[in-house]
Amino acid sequence: DSGVTQTPKHLITATGQRVTLRCSPRSGDLSVYWYQQSLDQGLQFLIQYYNGEERAKGNILERFSAQQFPDLHSELNLSSLELGDSALYFCASSSPRGSSGNTIYFGEGSWLTVV
Amino acid sequence: GENVEQHPSTLSVQEGDSAVIKCTYSDSASNYFPWYKQELGKRPQLIIDIRSNVGEKKDQRIAVTLNKTAKHFSLHITETQPEDSAVYFCAASYSGGGADGLTFGKGTHLIIQP
Repeated sequence: DSGVTQTPKHLITATGQRVTLRCSPRSGDLSVYWYQQSLDQGLQFLIQYYNGEERAKGNILERFSAQQFPDLHSELNLSSLELGDSALYFCASSSPRGSSGNTIYFGEGSWLTVV
Repeated sequence: GENVEQHPSTLSVQEGDSAVIKCTYSDSASNYFPWYKQELGKRPQLIIDIRSNVGEKKDQRIAVTLNKTAKHFSLHITETQPEDSAVYFCAASYSGGGADGLTFGKGTHLIIQP
């Protein structure tokens, strides 16, 4: 158990709909990351938040948005869903370690199926 | 931004033999290089990492080497066992602009043949 909690574990929804994925980071971790993993793709970085503020953006579509709340949990909102959005969405968290890079721990993921 | 290339995409080895997976990165500012193991449908799990002030690190049957001049790093697994079968991802930490998210390679599917 990494200490990163994601809900829901599985989600099936129709095209055009909107869903929200939720993530609670490890206790004490200030950074939250979201990654997307499709069947034929690796781990695509979507976005990072640090202590409530957006810190970095990766390949995140405009239909997707995220936020990190004062209690440090984070939500990833996916709207106008398309079949191609079906994927495993991972949340990860890390604590600040200084300038030499942070160890990142992943949650179990949320399986999204768009039908 | 950072770009990480990983090879091979699939690696099949006999049980007991060694496996080597190689990665290159593009951003000379990267200074943290973890390796993750992912079993089917599960989360990536950190198995070993190396920081730029170290050239090699070993943990039992697993070792990682880093060549900062050439910007490449490798994962070595010795005496492979069936439970080593999984997808392995290398990653590099892009530290520019205050962001420290990992950039991953596309993964190597390691198959251990009995």
